[in-house]
Amino acid sequence: QVQLVQSGGAVVQPGGSLRLSCAVSGFIFTDYRMHWVRQAPGKGLEWVAFIQDDGRKKYYADSVKGRFSISRDNLNNMLYLQMNSLGPDDTAVYFCARDFNWGCDYWGRGNMVTVSS
Amino acid sequence: QSALIQPPSASGSLGKSVTISCTGTNRDVGGYGYVSWYQQYPGRAPTLLIYEVNKRPSGVPDRFSGSKSGNTASLTVSGLRTEDEADYYCDSFAGNNIWVFGGGTRLTVL
Repeated sequence: QVQLVQSGGAVVQPGGSLRLSCAVSGFIFTDYRMHWVRQAPGKGLEWVAFIQDDGRKKYYADSVKGRFSISRDNLNNMLYLQMNSLGPDDTAVYFCARDFNWGCDYWGRGNMVTVSS
Repeated sequence: QSALIQPPSASGSLGKSVTISCTGTNRDVGGYGYVSWYQQYPGRAPTLLIYEVNKRPSGVPDRFSGSKSGNTASLTVSGLRTEDEADYYCDSFAGNNIWVFGGGTRLTVL
């Protein structure tokens, strides 16, 4: 069955960096575009980043552009989100999700990222 | 990248129907046929209910239906059940390769 297993959540100091990982299985990874979506505590969902199936094209929300980088390893079925220059507003649960006709049909369980000194 | 507008809360009686709106602009909801709806229980990941405005993934009951008129999309939940009590989010492709979510609606089943 389709699985998206996330790892990498942590407490990070302001200005710090963190990389989130999402290991996928149960489907042909190279056939699918992927997203990262986040949710601040008690708040709604916010789209963060998108990567094309071949990894060539990547797009970001204005709130993270220039600080976050999405990537994928199609040989090892891995999706990543490199987060730099983290600030308190980046505190959230981060979800990886599989794109399905410009929506998201499968989601990871989420990783909590807390930015605090 | 302004969020789509959803009512913060909605309610309906057991067995009845409720409709949740999602208002955007002609740069997102009105401009593309890529509106999705998600259900989320507290502490859980969202699940896809509707994609491309009105299509249901396999396994989603036909009690859930989607529609769109102009810049506003809608999710209707019919035959309300207690397990429908959850948060509901819309999202839309917004051109320029970005996506935008609604603020979410908490549905209460009376």
